[in-house]
Amino acid sequence: GEDVEQSLFLSVREGDSSVINCTYTDSSSTYLYWYKQEPGAGLQLLTYIFSNMDMKQDQRLTVLLNKKDKHLSLRIADTQTGDSAIYFCAESIRDYGGSQGNLIFGKGTKLSVKP
Amino acid sequence: DGGITQSPKYLFRKEGQNVTLSCEQNLNHDAMYWYRQDPGQGLRLIYYSQIVNDFQKGDIAEGYSVSREKKESFPLTVTSAQKNPTAFYLCASAEGATNEKLFFGSGTQLSVL
Repeated sequence: GEDVEQSLFLSVREGDSSVINCTYTDSSSTYLYWYKQEPGAGLQLLTYIFSNMDMKQDQRLTVLLNKKDKHLSLRIADTQTGDSAIYFCAESIRDYGGSQGNLIFGKGTKLSVKP
Repeated sequence: DGGITQSPKYLFRKEGQNVTLSCEQNLNHDAMYWYRQDPGQGLRLIYYSQIVNDFQKGDIAEGYSVSREKKESFPLTVTSAQKNPTAFYLCASAEGATNEKLFFGSGTQLSVL
């Protein structure tokens, strides 16, 4: 079945760049997503990329997609202590009705930013 | 303010008891979802609803039930048949012609007494 894999932990120093990596299995996914979760809170949609793109930039965030290798990455430039959170990669899958919206999530990467 | 409201924030269940988690949205989204999150795990889909009066089982529906009588509301009942209910429950609704963007509520932490 569909699966999304990501490393569980990443530690960086404040001001450095963070790169969080993810691999997925469903080649028919139309959208791939990055969500951020702070402790005790829901998930916040950070950014998403359409599968026919290979890069998307949004302020400090850069998403790279290698469709051939089914590899997605999120780069956070100038990482701040406020970026400390769990980051989830997700891919969209089609439900039985044919519409998308059901997502398969990775287990999340806990980003720790040291001052 | 538009958004998704989950209540309560914390909920305790006694053995053999059914409990209901509330999820309300004023975003005018058709699709709504319930996910379960366990520590160190990704989210797993419990139930989803694409339209009022219709809902589908997700990957881990056993021991749960839902209803979708109104567009704005998608309550989740954790029944006594769910033997391991302690988890963080997240409700979401979806925007877009093909429901491609999910927006999440702030979650309910359910614990067993």
